[in-house]
Amino acid sequence: GAGVSQSPSNKVTEKGKDVELRCDPISGHTALYWYRQSLGQGLEFLIYFQGNSAPDKSGLPSDRFSAERTGGSVSTLTIQRTQQEDSAVYLCASSFLREETQYFGPGTRLLVL
Amino acid sequence: GNSVTQMEGPVTLSEEAFLTINCTYTATGYPSLFWYVQYPGEGLQLLLKATKADDKGSNKGFEATYRKETTSFHLEKGSVQVSDSAVYFCALSPPNFGNEKLTFGTGTRLTIIP
Repeated sequence: GAGVSQSPSNKVTEKGKDVELRCDPISGHTALYWYRQSLGQGLEFLIYFQGNSAPDKSGLPSDRFSAERTGGSVSTLTIQRTQQEDSAVYLCASSFLREETQYFGPGTRLLVL
Repeated sequence: GNSVTQMEGPVTLSEEAFLTINCTYTATGYPSLFWYVQYPGEGLQLLLKATKADDKGSNKGFEATYRKETTSFHLEKGSVQVSDSAVYFCALSPPNFGNEKLTFGTGTRLTIIP
């Protein structure tokens, strides 16, 4: 079956613009995670969705970042008024249950000029 | 808070050499520990994991032992191959949280030359 997919694979934008990044998790997976990998940094946890529960947003770096998950499946990460420090690879992962292995997508490479 | 420190790369080895990538962690309690691998052009994949002290995770010839006394989870392989060239990430998840909120190290790029 298909793995986690993300789009776009690359995004170049101008400072101050809004961007939307999309994640399609593996079908049937109830948990979905967003991480960010900045140059020279490890992967930072951003947000976590589990079923119909309220998301854990504790990793979002600022109120310019938001995410939603529609119908318990596809998720969109939105960054408003992008800044150059937002440039990073944004990774999405999903898992069937909270204790199960996370499966990662290929990531979206964002460059803010 | 939780943190993971891993050996900085890049690491370049000849085929059939012995590999060690060091990883140490800081966490309260007994976290679960993971090694993830990212092959060129692919997404992160779980390589191995250990969920309690003295457990040994193993996969594809790689091994790592959960050492509580040294707070370490070093990755080893006895004889590396060109196909092992990738970026390796050490990670932990806090106890009682399952797999969410993984904390990762910065990654170690490994290149194996024939």
